[in-house]
Amino acid sequence: ETGVTQTPRHLVMGMTNKKSLKCEQHLGHNAMYWYKQSAKKPLELMFVYNFKEQTENNSVPSRFSPECPNSSHLFLHLHTLQPEDSALYLCASSQAQGGSGNTIYFGEGSWLTVV
Amino acid sequence: KNEVEQSPQNLTAQEGEFITINCSYSVGISALHWLQQHPGGGIVSLFMLSSGKKKHGRLIATINIQEKHSSLHITASHPRDSAVYICAVRTFGNEKLTFGTGTRLTIIP
Repeated sequence: ETGVTQTPRHLVMGMTNKKSLKCEQHLGHNAMYWYKQSAKKPLELMFVYNFKEQTENNSVPSRFSPECPNSSHLFLHLHTLQPEDSALYLCASSQAQGGSGNTIYFGEGSWLTVV
Repeated sequence: KNEVEQSPQNLTAQEGEFITINCSYSVGISALHWLQQHPGGGIVSLFMLSSGKKKHGRLIATINIQEKHSSLHITASHPRDSAVYICAVRTFGNEKLTFGTGTRLTIIP
């Protein structure tokens, strides 16, 4: 238990569906992140929110839409995805963005399959 | 070429063996992280270090800033240590985390 909870753990969706991934952290952190992990590739940073403001969008296609209503919750809205978007999506949090002294805490991940 | 290289990519060992996983990086860093990812997908932070050596139980992490190299050691390895071990560096300037592709460790009873 890392203090970062992701739901759902597994999701299968069609290319025309709209779904959302949810992340919640109980650590009092101010920065939250979405990462994508594809097979045999390093983790790729997608989005960063610092104090509820988006501070990083790593050239992510618009079919992925993040939302951060407060410092404890982060969503990733999914719409008209492609099969190559199938991956493990990991949420993480840290005290604040960056900072060499910050430990980052990851959730269990959401396994997404696009059919 | 990835900025963070790990070796080996895969490692299989017998229970009880001493394990070493290596990480080399090519950029200036403010910190290096070692992470453990179990088959279910969740990632746990093992160590964050910027110099020297840290020890936690059977795990030891070292870093040589001049050589841009870090090692993760596991003593008296156990099947429950089987996981993917990921090295990540926080780069100076933008403070982003850059990840290696991971080392898949399998410990056989």
